[in-house]
Amino acid sequence: DAKTTQPTSMDCAEGRAANLPCNHSTISGNEYVYWYRQIHSQGPQYIIHGLKNNETNEMASLIITEDRKSSTLILPHATLRDTAVYYCIVRPYGNNRLAFGKGNQVVVIP
Amino acid sequence: DAGITQSPRHKVTETGTPVTLRCHQTENHRYMYWYRQDPGHGLRLIHYSYGVKDTDKGEVSDGYSVSRSKTEDFLLTLESATSSQTSVYFCAISLGGQGDSPLHFGNGTRLTVT
Repeated sequence: DAKTTQPTSMDCAEGRAANLPCNHSTISGNEYVYWYRQIHSQGPQYIIHGLKNNETNEMASLIITEDRKSSTLILPHATLRDTAVYYCIVRPYGNNRLAFGKGNQVVVIP
Repeated sequence: DAGITQSPRHKVTETGTPVTLRCHQTENHRYMYWYRQDPGHGLRLIHYSYGVKDTDKGEVSDGYSVSRSKTEDFLLTLESATSSQTSVYFCAISLGGQGDSPLHFGNGTRLTVT
C-alpha cells in the first residue's frame, strides 16, 4: 500500500517555482522521504531525499514539515524539461527497496 | 549517467520462449534491483540482490529468476515468457544501507511477448 499521497497531476508555469506537495502522515521516525521523477520513456531519476531537515541540491529543494507528515519539493525555476511524473516515496526502515506509487504528472506550461 | 547499461533495449519474443535481460554496472554498487513498469501499476519490484549470489524476491517475482555471479552483472530471466510479462523493465543500483542511499536507474528494456 502506498504510504504517500500526491496530486494526480498539476500544471506549473515556466520560469516560476514549482511546489510539489506530498503527504506521508504515517511516516516513522527513521524513514527517509525520497523524490524521483520520470520523463517519458526514461528510467526514474533521483532528485533528492531527506530525513527531517530541509535539503537542497542543484536540482531542487526539499522542505519537510516539523511533524514530518508532509513535504514539498520545490523546483526553483521550472523549465519545459521538468515536465515529468514526480514520485514522492517513503523508504521503510531497514529496507533497501523503494515502493513507487502512481506519482504526480507535472506539466510545465510556457 | 549512473553507469548502468541495460541490454537489450528492446526485445520481441514469443510466448513460451526463455528470455534473459542483462543489467551491467560500472559503479561497484552492492545492491541491484529489477523493476517492471506497467500502465496503472507504476513501478513494481521483481527481485533484488544485496551481493554476489545473494538475491531476494520482490512483490512480483513469480515467473522470474535472477542471478548475480559477479558484482557488475545482474541477470533477469523469464524461463517461459507469457504475454503478461510484456512490460518495461528497469534495473537499479544503490550502495545500500538502512535508508540513506538513493537508487539510480537504467534506461529500461522494453519487452514484448507475442
